[in-house]
Amino acid sequence: DAGVTQSPTHLIKTRGQHVTLRCSPISGHKSVSWYQQVLGQGPQFIFQYYEKEERGRGNFPDRFSARQFPNYSSELNVNALLLGDSALYLCASSLFDSDPTEAFFGQGTRLTVV
Amino acid sequence: GENVEQHPSTLSVQEGDSAVIKCTYSDSASNYFPWYKQELGKRPQLIIDIRSNVGEKKDQRIAVTLNKTAKHFSLHITETQPEDSAVYFCAARNKLSFGAGTTVTVRA
Repeated sequence: DAGVTQSPTHLIKTRGQHVTLRCSPISGHKSVSWYQQVLGQGPQFIFQYYEKEERGRGNFPDRFSARQFPNYSSELNVNALLLGDSALYLCASSLFDSDPTEAFFGQGTRLTVV
Repeated sequence: GENVEQHPSTLSVQEGDSAVIKCTYSDSASNYFPWYKQELGKRPQLIIDIRSNVGEKKDQRIAVTLNKTAKHFSLHITETQPEDSAVYFCAARNKLSFGAGTTVTVRA
């Protein structure tokens, strides 16, 4: 059984560009969350989706958006990229959104904005 | 929202000694407290978790304690080994709010 998969693994973009990151959860998992991890810091919560509905949003600007598809995969979109958006973007999947269940992380997408 | 604070930020221990990392949280509604280990360049991996109806949980050399009244929880690693060197993150649900991490270095 495949774990959480993210694509691409690495990405280099220019300031002002747009980026789309993708995540496929573990089979059977209906909740997907996105995190931004800047070097040397803990993951910061961006979004959570459950059954295709947004269930939570962290303290990130409107340039960040996400969606979840009927097959429970998810996309994170970032517009008008800034240098400060350079980070490791992690996706995590879990069975439910509210019950205390384990979250499994993907390997992340390393985004570099130049 | 939830605010999780983690201490210390760095921890250096001699091989065989114990390591303790402490976290506090703010949201009394949080009911799930996982600990993740992240090695350089890799994804966070769950090493142990505890739910709010339990005060302590142990898995071999790793244990976690939870004090709901004081809103703090701790990770204990006994008989540390070089492969325990990594960054450790505590988290509190809801929405998995993470601490800032503790870089643990085990000296051989």
